[in-house]
Amino acid sequence: EPEVTQTPSHQVTQMGQEVILRCVPISNHLYFYWYRQILGQKVEFLVSFYNNEISEKSEIFDDQFSVERPDGSNFTLKIRSTKLEDSAMYFCASSDYGANQPQHFGDGTRLSIL
Amino acid sequence: QRVTQPEKLLSVFKGAPVELKCNYSYSGSPELFWYVQYSRQRLQLLLRHISRESIKGFTADLNKGETSFHLKKPFAQEEDSAMYYCALGRGGATNKLIFGTGTLLAVQP
Repeated sequence: EPEVTQTPSHQVTQMGQEVILRCVPISNHLYFYWYRQILGQKVEFLVSFYNNEISEKSEIFDDQFSVERPDGSNFTLKIRSTKLEDSAMYFCASSDYGANQPQHFGDGTRLSIL
Repeated sequence: QRVTQPEKLLSVFKGAPVELKCNYSYSGSPELFWYVQYSRQRLQLLLRHISRESIKGFTADLNKGETSFHLKKPFAQEEDSAMYYCALGRGGATNKLIFGTGTLLAVQP
C-alpha cells in the first residue's frame, strides 16, 4: 500500500537556524498538508496546498513558514529563524481529489530546537 | 469549529465494551473521522462517517442532534490499545482537519 514518507525522522537544530522538513506524498494525490503536534497537545493544522499554491493556512503559519513543491514528488516545509516553541512533531499528509477524501499521514518529523 | 474528546485515558479489560466519546461543534455539514495511532506508528484512518462501515470491530454513528460521533466496540482486544483521535473535516477545497485532543485506550489483559 502506498505511503506518505517523511525525512528526517528527527531533526535537532539551534535556535535561529532554518530547517527544511521533507515529505513525499502518495503519488496520485493532489492535496498536501502539514500539521504539527506540540508535546502533550492536539494535532494542529498548519497549511494545505493544491494546484501548486496554498489553499488555506492557519494563524500559526506566519511569515516564518513556507511550503514548496520543488518537483513532481517532494513537498517541503521550511521554517526560518526557528524558535524554541517550534519544537514539535510535524506531520505531512496527502489526499486524493474530492471533498473530504481521507488524509494519509506520514510518520512525522520530530523537530527539536535547542 | 471544535472537536472535544473528554477522556484523556480510557482503561478497560479485554472483552469489555468500549466507547470513546467525541463531540463536535460546526455550523455546516460535518465530515467526521476517527484516526488511530498505535505505539510508534503513524496516524491511520480508522473510520469515516460517510462510509458507515465497521473496521476492526469498531463502529461510529454520526448523531447530528447530539453533535456526537462516538466510537464503539462491543468487545475490546489487547491489540486495540492505542491513541484514538476524532477529527472534523469541513469540506470544501482545503479539506482541513480539526482534531480532538485524543483518547488513549488501554486494554488490560
